[in-house]
Amino acid sequence: AQKITQTQPGMFVQEKEAVTLDCTYDTSDPSYGLFWYKQPSSGEMIFLIYQGSYDQQNATEGRYSLNFQKARKSANLVISASQLGDSAMYFCAMRVPNFGNEKLTFGTGTRLTIIP
Amino acid sequence: DAGVTQSPTHLIKTRGQQVTLRCSPKSGHDTVSWYQQALGQGPQFIFQYYEEEERQRGNFPDRFSGHQFPNYSSELNVNALLLGDSALYLCASSLVRTGGEQFFGPGTRLTVL
Repeated sequence: AQKITQTQPGMFVQEKEAVTLDCTYDTSDPSYGLFWYKQPSSGEMIFLIYQGSYDQQNATEGRYSLNFQKARKSANLVISASQLGDSAMYFCAMRVPNFGNEKLTFGTGTRLTIIP
Repeated sequence: DAGVTQSPTHLIKTRGQQVTLRCSPKSGHDTVSWYQQALGQGPQFIFQYYEEEERQRGNFPDRFSGHQFPNYSSELNVNALLLGDSALYLCASSLVRTGGEQFFGPGTRLTVL
């Protein structure tokens, strides 16, 4: 079974500062994928970044980067130069292979609030 | 290119009633997954449909059932509604041959009174 743990229920960050959202995972599968999604108050899950378990380098997408530490089973999201529009819920999720389409297992999320 | 769409946006039902939620996948996608997100929680996987058949199922009772149509759209049905079924229901679509990257719709917020 897979498990995602997000230990920060909420965070407050000053605008333009960098922020790190924590995520640890647990799985016995050697092959897996890790995702971060942003969920604004509208409800839609917006894909931010993906890291495969065999990827040699940490993933980056614009202001988002994923600090992947495989031995520690952690996949923290780093947002550089935070903006007011970054205020939202953030979810870490994991997927393991299962003959094509696989379910996502989500953590409980972190509510990020950017302060002007 | 239309993304994932869901209807209705909001729904209010009473205990014991039945509800049907609808999802149209992103253009070109052939697989639909449904998730339930209770208030303050992360989404929980309900089930997944591909080629009009249920491929995977999460830990949800048989009151939750679904269907996928030949055009790949899908319905989620919930019978004998309970107060605890109040949640945001998210639909995600994907394409098998690309590895299953899932794109989410805006969700249907169901309130059971």
